Amino acid sequence: EAGVAQSPRYKIIEKRQSVAFWCNPISGHATLYWYQQILGQGPKLLIQFQNNGVVDDSQLPKDRFSAERLKGVDSTLKIQPAKLEDSAVYLCASSLVLYTGELFFGEGSRLTVL
Amino acid sequence: QQPVQSPQAVILREGEDAVINCSSSKALYSVHWYRQKHGEAPVFLMILLKGGEQKGHEKISASFNEKKQQSSLYLTASQLSYSGTYFCGTDGGSQGNLIFGKGTKLSVKP
Repeated sequence: EAGVAQSPRYKIIEKRQSVAFWCNPISGHATLYWYQQILGQGPKLLIQFQNNGVVDDSQLPKDRFSAERLKGVDSTLKIQPAKLEDSAVYLCASSLVLYTGELFFGEGSRLTVL
Repeated sequence: QQPVQSPQAVILREGEDAVINCSSSKALYSVHWYRQKHGEAPVFLMILLKGGEQKGHEKISASFNEKKQQSSLYLTASQLSYSGTYFCGTDGGSQGNLIFGKGTKLSVKP
């Protein structure tokens, strides 16, 4: 079974530039999550989708971050414009059902903002 | 409300035991445990549900005290492969959103 795919694995940008991350969840997983993990901290939920609908985006800085999951499968997370404090690993995860089970994480996209 | 994990770090010799604690100020529906090795994605260990249902993983077990809103992860006869950062994630049950603690870094030495 293929795991959660993310790209790019690494990205370095200047502040005020934009960046986009892509995630393809495990086939059949209806729930998709984007987490931000700053070095030395636990993952912080940014947004959660159930199929192509948003379940929770309360922690998403909507002035600069956006995410979509148009066909209920893969998803894109965009940051525009980036700030220094956005430097982090962006983890995508998926699960079969909305919340009683295991999250499957991708390897993450490491963003460095200079 | 982010759960609080303790200790922040622990160093063990192979074969020793460890306990990692996770506590929340809010009522919990479930507690999830993940392990993350350096530079890798978090990997699921187990989930503990309100009402006592539990799933386990190898020689690692856990308890969930609903009244105290606490969970403990028990690692027995630790192996080198147990090294990593352990995160608890708590779920208040409303939308099923996991909030992770800051993690406990476990180092197992030969």
